[in-house]
Amino acid sequence: QQQVKQSPQSLIVQKGGISIINCAYENTAFDYFPWYQQFPGKGPALLIAIRPDVSEKKEGRFTISFNKSAKQFSLHIMDSQPGDSATYFCAAGDNNNDMRFGAGTRLTVKP
Amino acid sequence: GAGVSQSPRYKVAKRGQDVALRCDPISGHVSLFWYQQALGQGPEFLTYFQNEAQLDKSGLPSDRFFAERPEGSVSTLKIQRTQQEDSAVYLCASSLGLTGELFFGEGSRLTVL
Repeated sequence: QQQVKQSPQSLIVQKGGISIINCAYENTAFDYFPWYQQFPGKGPALLIAIRPDVSEKKEGRFTISFNKSAKQFSLHIMDSQPGDSATYFCAAGDNNNDMRFGAGTRLTVKP
Repeated sequence: GAGVSQSPRYKVAKRGQDVALRCDPISGHVSLFWYQQALGQGPEFLTYFQNEAQLDKSGLPSDRFFAERPEGSVSTLKIQRTQQEDSAVYLCASSLGLTGELFFGEGSRLTVL
């Protein structure tokens, strides 16, 4: 019952480049779309989140782009750094107990 | 405490054994969630508590899984008669309410031999 599809599974980017991760969801009732960052051996930590009343949200080097009609959203990491190397999960839901996570993207930023 | 604390961090069980995983949420957080994360996958919802009330247990995979939060703070996830397919990282998360930022613990990695 994968309600959130995430791609790519893995991504390698050079330092200073742009990392782009895409997600698609099915349930039109979802109205909260967070991205989580997870380092090995740690739990996921909230990175940035968006609600469908806006098409874009930017926080520092991280930007979410949201396309409600296509039921897609993406994370852009500008000026990617080796410290950004982690697994990124998108999620979608209307409440926390409804949250559905993507399968994750393992990002490697090469120095 | 400063964050969500889970114990044990690692647990190895023989098939058929019972295990208990503990979660100590952030003080004052009303909502507590358990997730199961298989290797290379995203977290999958198991169950949700608001204070001591278990309001949603729709994600529990079988009746061998049981969770409780008797005093509205610490929670325990119990797995009876463990099977190999139960091997995963079990994540606990808490939040102030049903919506808003989820704060995750570091997880308990269960390996069933």
